[in-house]
Amino acid sequence: DAGVIQSPRHEVTEMGQEVTLRCKPISGHNSLFWYRQTMMRGLELLIYFNNNVPIDDSGMPEDRFSAKMPNASFSTLKIQPSEPRDSAVYFCASSPARVRGYTFGSGTRLTVV
Amino acid sequence: QQQVKQSPQSLIVQKGGIPIINCAYENTAFDYFPWYQQFPGKGPALLIAIRPDVSEKKEGRFTISFNKSAKQFSLHIMDSQPGDSATYFCAASALNDMRFGAGTRLTVKP
Repeated sequence: DAGVIQSPRHEVTEMGQEVTLRCKPISGHNSLFWYRQTMMRGLELLIYFNNNVPIDDSGMPEDRFSAKMPNASFSTLKIQPSEPRDSAVYFCASSPARVRGYTFGSGTRLTVV
Repeated sequence: QQQVKQSPQSLIVQKGGIPIINCAYENTAFDYFPWYQQFPGKGPALLIAIRPDVSEKKEGRFTISFNKSAKQFSLHIMDSQPGDSATYFCAASALNDMRFGAGTRLTVKP
């Protein structure tokens, strides 16, 4: 199994531009999570999907952030418009159950200039 | 979101030493306590985990000690090696919640 696959690995964009991060979870995992990691705030849960349905999006910082999971093998996290304070590493993780056995992807390092 | 407090923020030990990382939690509903290891440029990877019905769990050189009454748990790394240099995160979860500590950057000097 290739694990959780995220793309792109690095993204540099200008303030105000739209950014889309992509994630392919491990086949058979029915839970998917998006996390943001910064030095100041550590790992923050942004949103959690179960069976492709958003269950908890209370961590999404504001309306500029949106996430979708159109099918069991693909999810996106979109930021529009992007701001410099969105610069962080964004991780996708999947799990066969709600909170056991998370597998993280390698992350997308986002820099908004 | 920070319901799991982790210390120290950073730790430097010599090869062969036994670094200890401590975590404390507040929510008594937490029933699963994993530790993750993260190397630069990589995502966190599950290292070892414990449930509150046991006080200790060992996997190779890694040991979790758990004190339910004190709501504390710790990671010990025996005979530490330079390859163990990484950031370590503790976490605590309940049925619908998973909280991560802030992380400890461990450096093991040759």
